[in-house]
Order: sequence, then C-alpha cells, then structure tokens
Amino acid sequence: NAGVTQTPKFRILKIGQSMTLQCTQDMNHNYMYWYRQDPGMGLKLIYYSVGAGITDKGEVPNGYNVSRSTTEDFPLRLELAAPSQTSVYFCASTQDRILGTGELFFGEGSRLTVL
Amino acid sequence: GQQVMQIPQYQHVQEGEDFTTYCNSSTTLSNIQWYKQRPGGHPVFLIQLVKSGEVKKQKRLTFQFGEAKKNSSLHITATQTTDVGTYFCAGLGNQGGKLIFGQGTELSVKP
Repeated sequence: NAGVTQTPKFRILKIGQSMTLQCTQDMNHNYMYWYRQDPGMGLKLIYYSVGAGITDKGEVPNGYNVSRSTTEDFPLRLELAAPSQTSVYFCASTQDRILGTGELFFGEGSRLTVL
Repeated sequence: GQQVMQIPQYQHVQEGEDFTTYCNSSTTLSNIQWYKQRPGGHPVFLIQLVKSGEVKKQKRLTFQFGEAKKNSSLHITATQTTDVGTYFCAGLGNQGGKLIFGQGTELSVKP
C-alpha cells in the first residue's frame, strides 16, 4: 500500500493563478482531510469529507474548493492564488469508524509558495 | 466554533529532564488524539484517548484525558534527543468528522 499520496511536493505560483493539489489514498478510507500548516501555527483544517460525494468546510475554507467524486481521491483547488496561501498543505485520511474516529494517515505534504 | 488550545508553544529541556504539554478544548470532545511531527516531516499518530479520565502509557510517554473530556496532557519522562519534534493534540467534537488540531508544542532537547 502506498498510503496517502500528494502531488506536487513543491510548487511556486504567481498571484492570481489557479492550481489543484492532488491527494489519493489506497486504504479505502471514507474520511479525508485537507490541512494547511504555517510556521508555528499548527494545522488548520480547510475542508474534510466523510465519504464520496460529501464535503464540508473546516476552519479556513475561504479561497479553496474541494470535490470527492471517488473514495480514493480528494483534490484541493486553489482559485486566484494569494500570498496568504503560501503554506505547507497536508492531506490525511482515516478509517471509517463510529463518528470517524481513528488514526489519521498523512501524506508527505505539498509546499506551495505564492509570489 | 470548536477551538483547541495547546501550551506551551516551545519547550527547551536538557536531556534527561521531563516534559509536559497541555491541551484544552472550548467544547467537550468525543476523543482526543496526539501526534508527533519531526522537523520537515508529516504528523505521525501516537495515541487516541476516548474515555473520561483515561490514562495511557507508551514507554516514557504518559497521556491523560480529563474527566470533563475537555483537556488532555502528554508527559515525557527523562527526555532523549530522539524526542525532538512538535507534539500536537487533535480533538474530535461530538458532531463527528471535524478533527481540530492545537497549535503544537515544539520540543528541543539539549544533549
């Protein structure tokens, strides 16, 4: 099993450009999450999904969009990139237990810089 | 909305000293998890606590979940240089799904 795979690992964007961060997992997990991590600020939840076709906002959803057409994939879309979106982005998934409890498996992260 | 606060933000210790980080939630939690992130890496799951007043141990690490299920702590006895990293708590609210992380405590250990 590859676990949680994120692409790209690094990306530099110009202000106003758009891009999609890809996330796929091969563990048949129903719950998937996108977090961003800024230096010294911990992880902030952007969006999460409890299953295919279902998504919900986290703590900092503005400027982002997600979709969940399959169990495996949970892409994060950045529209009109801004310098404030410079961050490290982590995708994570977890086994579908009662209320989605259980260990989060994280991808390696995607480092995004917006100039 | 649900908030999870963690203190201290940084802790510098001499190797062999003990270390504790504290986590407090603004709402009652369904469960709490702890993660460790090494510099440049991704968070790695350490443990999950579910029951009120629960205490779990992993070698030199002791995890506690408060009676009211709103706070938690991680205590490391006799720190080693391999303990270096940032420790995060993450709380799951009673509505389920949304796992909120604290800001983390960065631990450095001087040999």
